[in-house]
Amino acid sequence: DAGITQSPRHKVTETGTPVTLRCHQTENHRYMYWYRQDPGHGLRLIHYSYGVKDTDKGEVSDGYSVSRSKTEDFLLTLESATSSQTSVYFCAISEPSGGPRGEQYFGPGTRLTVT
Amino acid sequence: LAKTTQPISMDSYEGQEVNITCSHNNIATNDYITWYQQFPSQGPRFIIQGYKTKVTNEVASLFIPADRKSSTLSLPRVSLSDTAVYYCLVGDNSGAGSYQLTFGKGTKLSVIP
Repeated sequence: DAGITQSPRHKVTETGTPVTLRCHQTENHRYMYWYRQDPGHGLRLIHYSYGVKDTDKGEVSDGYSVSRSKTEDFLLTLESATSSQTSVYFCAISEPSGGPRGEQYFGPGTRLTVT
Repeated sequence: LAKTTQPISMDSYEGQEVNITCSHNNIATNDYITWYQQFPSQGPRFIIQGYKTKVTNEVASLFIPADRKSSTLSLPRVSLSDTAVYYCLVGDNSGAGSYQLTFGKGTKLSVIP
């Protein structure tokens, strides 16, 4: 399995509090992604990064921000958590090979509950 | 965003071949089509990737017609352990500006003994 870890794996927080999720990779892959997964919606892209300090928005970026100061770390921040952000969050990495995006390797996920 | 469309669910008996089709009308010219498998409480796992025609690996085949507006994942002789959700992933060039990745909503495959 690709070396991807997510922390924390589970978190319960209150509405209005800031939350930061961390994704760490040991593969030196260029691309990193944050997805959320909710019943009935499948996986939806929040933000992605194509290099250190290079990020872009995905389909559901409102209410989220990201930062990538090192190749190996990609942080997802909820500035003020809301109940609608209760979800399972997955980080993924990829390295372009042939096609522009390449195969993605996913982390184990973080289950976030906002009460 | 362009949509990808997959059947919500499928049932199959053990030992049968299963074909899951994904429609993706706005696929980008240079993008690849990728399929993932996901078990409960785990992240998705790569199955197969292709650009056109047919690709085969040790677990599946991927059929892509010339217009590339759809693709079909073929699982030969499924077993109970193939019970999972299968996702189709393609690029999306329909939005202005940034490049969007689009997962289908997934097809839940149930393999019956």
